[in-house]
Amino acid sequence: GQNIDQPTEMTATEGAIVQINCTYQTSGFNGLFWYQQHAGEAPTFLSYNVLDGLEEKGRFSSFLSRSKGYSYLLLKELQMKDSASYLCAVRFSGGYNKLIFGAGTRLAVHP
Amino acid sequence: EADIYQTPRYLVIGTGKKITLECSQTMGHDKMYWYQQDPGMELHLIHYSYGVNSTEKGDLSSESTVSRIRTEHFPLTLESARPSHTSQYLCASSNHDGGANEQFFGPGTRLTVL
Repeated sequence: GQNIDQPTEMTATEGAIVQINCTYQTSGFNGLFWYQQHAGEAPTFLSYNVLDGLEEKGRFSSFLSRSKGYSYLLLKELQMKDSASYLCAVRFSGGYNKLIFGAGTRLAVHP
Repeated sequence: EADIYQTPRYLVIGTGKKITLECSQTMGHDKMYWYQQDPGMELHLIHYSYGVNSTEKGDLSSESTVSRIRTEHFPLTLESARPSHTSQYLCASSNHDGGANEQFFGPGTRLTVL
């Protein structure tokens, strides 16, 4: 199967740290992406993991464990503008770079 | 910033009309994609192309058709629109030179069929 599971909603406080988890069940795994999507807008690329471990990019980090079919996106020093949906997407081999998207996690950041 | 464009941004039409949603990119990407997304739901791939004159249907069945006559242009056509086609349509493109090859998304077309 190619199910991508992530929590539907999360809330956090400005300045805090939040972790958004993603689990996937897919054969031929060939990379995992995180995208940010503000309401009514297009998704924008945040991070990419293909090997196990942590990728850090400013306030955002993404982790991958291929053996567990698990990834998380870590957002530090949360700002109000981080309120958005965060989409986990998996690419599989031989698929012409096709992605399977999860339903997204809606993050609400409160003052 | 990604150079991928979609027109129109919003479209309200009556049932039975033929419509074409435009998508163009200036990055020279060989791969292009069309996704359909309902509010609060995941993106579903409906068409993709890996080069000129090559198109494939995606994972979600769609009554729309696409063409890829030029590298930069990937229009989507609905011959006879119905209310069930009401949705947001997102176009994306990517390269093939190794690495992440992340997909860049256009701003989307929000279609309402009355």
